[in-house]
Formats: sequence, C-alpha cells, structure tokens
Amino acid sequence: EIVLTQSPGTLSLSPGERATLSCRASQSVSSSNLAWYQQKPGQAPRLLMYGASSRATGIPDRFSGSGSGTDFTLTISRLEPEDFAVYYCKLFSYWTFGQGTKVESK
Amino acid sequence: QVQLVESGGGVVQPGRSLRLSCAASGFTFSSYNMHWVRQAPGKGLEWVAIIWYDGTKKYYAESVKGRFTISRDNSENTFYLQMDSLRAEDTAVYYCARDTRTLAKGVGWFDPWGQGTLVTVSS
Repeated sequence: EIVLTQSPGTLSLSPGERATLSCRASQSVSSSNLAWYQQKPGQAPRLLMYGASSRATGIPDRFSGSGSGTDFTLTISRLEPEDFAVYYCKLFSYWTFGQGTKVESK
Repeated sequence: QVQLVESGGGVVQPGRSLRLSCAASGFTFSSYNMHWVRQAPGKGLEWVAIIWYDGTKKYYAESVKGRFTISRDNSENTFYLQMDSLRAEDTAVYYCARDTRTLAKGVGWFDPWGQGTLVTVSS
C-alpha cells in the first residue's frame, strides 16, 4: 500500500503570497496518477488538480501542480482570500488520501 | 447539472443502524462507480466504500468492513450506505462522490461530491 504524506500540516500566509504544498508518496508513482482536492471551511471537498498538473473545470490558473516519482507539489502563485482551505492529495487507483495541509491566513 | 444529494444522517445510539442515501442527477448514473467518504470532526478524509457502476463489486475500508453495506438502485439513480452496529468513532460527515471514469473497474478521481450528511453516534 502506498502512503501519502503531506507537508507542512499548516501553512500560514497572507493574501498575495505564494503557497507551496508538498505530497510525498512512500514509493514511486506516475505523475499522471496524482490529484489534489480542495476543501473550504464548511464545504464538501472538490477536485482541484488531476494527473499532477491538469486543472479541474473552473479552477483558476494560479493553481499549478508538478512533480514526479515520490515528490509532488501544489503551488498557488498568489493567494486569494477564497484559497484559504485544506488541501488533500490522492492517488489514482487508490482510495486513501493524504492527511491534508491547511492553508490559513496569517 | 451534475448533482449528488445525501440524506439520512442524524443522531443514533451506539449499536444501532442508519441508512444513508445519495440521489444523483444530471448524468448517466448507471455508468459510474460511486463512493462514500467520511470526515470525522476536525479530521481528514477517510474513504469508506465503493460500488461499481453495475453493482457487481463492492469494497470497504477495514474500519467498516462487516458493519457497513453499500448498494445502489440504478433505476432510481440512488445509492445507499447501510450502517449497522454503529460506534462512536463512526461519527462523521458522510459524503457521496462520483468516480470520474465511466464503466471503470477500479478507483479513479472523485468528482463531484455531495454536500455531506452528518452522522452522530452517541448515547
């Protein structure tokens, strides 16, 4: 079983700053197999990125994904107020999620 | 538009049962695998169960295996989670979610998600 470990647990940033979130897999995986989900406070999660770097429908281009092998990154180029949320990574063909990274306003 | 609406949550005593429903609309329900995912208060996402598009395969998280049963009625565009022998640790918001691939034999991405229904197990 592949385990996903996200870091940091919490990221405290100000609007306009750049956010870099990490998701590390316990063994090498194809970059096309990684997705990111966003969960805003009080809301259901939603698919944000898939195939490591493809944005889901309606996701703005300030969100980008990258990585390969065991290390993957979600980058938010300039944080908007609506981006403060918890972000989870997940692998295709697996049902487990990473433990999440909370992006909070400093 | 594609929509999933959960219902059936509530407060239940330990050891009792509850059945959740998820009504789907806006897509060909019978072509998609469907999932239940839960989130305990203040915690992360925990996948609970999957049922294949035709109902032939069902898989469960170890934490619920033998107590929960997933099922679907493709004629009603609805799927269910029957939860028996409930425990305090089953307290969570339960989300239903659609897999992203059609006629798939496995797990893909989850999109979209329902709004969630809260299950509280307490005496």
